[in-house]
Amino acid sequence: SAVISQKPSRDICQRGTSLTIQCQVDSQVTMMFWYRQQPGQSLTLIATANQGSEATYESGFVIDKFPISRPNLTFSTLTVSNMSPEDSSIYLCSVGDRGLGYGYTFGSGTRLTVV
Amino acid sequence: SQELEQSPQSLIVQEGKNLTINCTSSKTLYGLYWYKQKYGEGLIFLMMLQKGGEEKSHEKITAKLDEKKQQSSLHITASQPSHAGIYLCGALNGYNNNDMRFGAGTRLTVKP
Repeated sequence: SAVISQKPSRDICQRGTSLTIQCQVDSQVTMMFWYRQQPGQSLTLIATANQGSEATYESGFVIDKFPISRPNLTFSTLTVSNMSPEDSSIYLCSVGDRGLGYGYTFGSGTRLTVV
Repeated sequence: SQELEQSPQSLIVQEGKNLTINCTSSKTLYGLYWYKQKYGEGLIFLMMLQKGGEEKSHEKITAKLDEKKQQSSLHITASQPSHAGIYLCGALNGYNNNDMRFGAGTRLTVKP
């Protein structure tokens, strides 16, 4: 199965600033997915990131707030822009993994606290 | 979109006891995935079920998918403190979709 390295693992940020989260995969993958997990909640899909095209955002998430880059088949970034305390969450990247029968492998997550 | 209901929301059991977590879908499941999450960490893949009536086991954890492919259960036998965490069921959002949706999760506490 794919191995994902996600950075940073945690950060505390001031409101109004931006944070960029990186995910590096050890193999080439077509799709990468970004999820948000708010405190005590399950995972919510933010967007799907395909290499060479713009990310597809789910309802309630917009590109201006969560710009995503996908420069190649092994790397993606998610930026949380103009942060507010409501953005405090765990952010996880994921890839579809053929080894799991199209189940997903997840990064270790980024715990973001906005103060 | 795929809606998954998990029950119970939380569970506290004494070490050594058995327990079951359920995941129910409003639609036919094209692959049901069970994950475990330690507090504040990423998800660890446990098992995937695809066929109606399928059952898989790994160590003391058994997962089943019913014949109608709309309900799955995760059963832990003789629970241990190492089983503690959040258990999440996930399913692909349709036959031709690639995105995965998740249940709300079950927080398991195992008391020594």
